Amino acid sequence: AQTVTQSQPEMSVQEAETVTLSCTYDTSESDYYLFWYKQPPSRQMILVIRQEAYKQQNATENRFSVNFQKAAKSFSLKISDSQLGDAAMYFCAYRRGTSYDKVIFGPGTSLSVIP
Amino acid sequence: DAGVTQSPTHLIKTRGQQVTLRCSPKSGHDTVSWYQQALGQGPQFIFQYYEEEERQRGNFPDRFSGHQFPNYSSELNVNALLLGDSALYLCASSLVRRGLVDYGYTFGSGTRLTVV
Repeated sequence: AQTVTQSQPEMSVQEAETVTLSCTYDTSESDYYLFWYKQPPSRQMILVIRQEAYKQQNATENRFSVNFQKAAKSFSLKISDSQLGDAAMYFCAYRRGTSYDKVIFGPGTSLSVIP
Repeated sequence: DAGVTQSPTHLIKTRGQQVTLRCSPKSGHDTVSWYQQALGQGPQFIFQYYEEEERQRGNFPDRFSGHQFPNYSSELNVNALLLGDSALYLCASSLVRRGLVDYGYTFGSGTRLTVV
């Protein structure tokens, strides 16, 4: 069975600094997708960034980038120039390659941004 | 472009009662998935509906059931509520593309269910 692990229950970062959130996963599949979702106090899950396993290039979305290490089954999220609005729960998630398969979430990392 | 709409926002029920939660998917989406998120935890997959049928199911008892309507909206029903059913229930919609891959879910803001 596929699993997703986030070893950092809580993280904090100074405003304008950079922070990296860790995620590891376990799967025997070769075709899959990885995601980072943000859940602010408003509760709505927001997709931050996604990575296709077949792509070697790390995904980037503005201040957000990932370090995808397929062999190590590691998928970390780097947030640059942190802003107060980045404070939220961050969930790492996995899905097999079929578009209608379920998404498996990790336990989450609570990120605080210090002014 | 309307996103995913869930109702009600909050709900308080008594142990043993039954509850129905509702979800309208994002315009153009045809698949609805339901997740249970206990406080301080990641969402857990309950089931997924596509073409009005339950396509996948997570490790949840039969007390949890659902339905998808022809307009793609969906309901989640929970019978014989237990205190442990207290959680945030999230609905997520997506589009199945035959031969292509979609880009993940669009989530609603959830229904906070409290069982007392």
